[in-house]
Amino acid sequence: QSVLTQPPSVSAAPGQKVTISCSGSSSNIGNNYVSWYQQLPGTAPKLLIYDNNKRPSGIPDRFSGSKSGRSATLGITGLQTGDEADYYCGTWDSSLNAVVFGGGTKLTVL
Amino acid sequence: VQLQQSGPGLVKPSQTLSLTCAISGDSVSSNSAAWNWIRQSPSRGLEWLGGTYYRSKWSNNYALSVKSRITINPDTSKNQFSLQLDSVTPEDTAVYYCVRDPNGDIGFDIWGQGTMVTVSS
Repeated sequence: QSVLTQPPSVSAAPGQKVTISCSGSSSNIGNNYVSWYQQLPGTAPKLLIYDNNKRPSGIPDRFSGSKSGRSATLGITGLQTGDEADYYCGTWDSSLNAVVFGGGTKLTVL
Repeated sequence: VQLQQSGPGLVKPSQTLSLTCAISGDSVSSNSAAWNWIRQSPSRGLEWLGGTYYRSKWSNNYALSVKSRITINPDTSKNQFSLQLDSVTPEDTAVYYCVRDPNGDIGFDIWGQGTMVTVSS
């Protein structure tokens, strides 16, 4: 069981918007930066968002991140079939003194 | 920046898993980056194992779940870092990744290609 909680799956139609939630506690999300990763089948995870809401160069602005209290959210607009992947949130946990991840959310673009 | 992993894909139970990650385009002695190992399996998902970093001196952080069995060492002469996991069991079967955190804020931006390690006799 993961320290951070994500929905197992979400789905939406091409062109639509989807949000993926990540909930934690005051020892992790509540007081530390959150990052988000996209993992396509058979590949390593790819950084989409860091420091809650910053995008690395090359990541389109269709991807956005936000944080409020003990929860974080990844938003994806203008969905494309190529966005079908697993998405993970991650952060530092100050009580565990460790990096923790969510269990992952599978995005299906119908 | 690229990370190139090397090491065996099959390890016998009770033996030591050893992997190396060669860094190009950055330095293992960087004063801002941290160098980590993360593994992934269907049963455990993404699991951070630990990392090493240099801030005037070398330091390590290890996950509690493997703290008694893990060693992560930098090798400045070869600009690489390594993972050793002792006394492995089939539960250690996973894809292992070496990963860069450029600013120490848990934004893992560069990942190695991954090594599937199977623990089996």
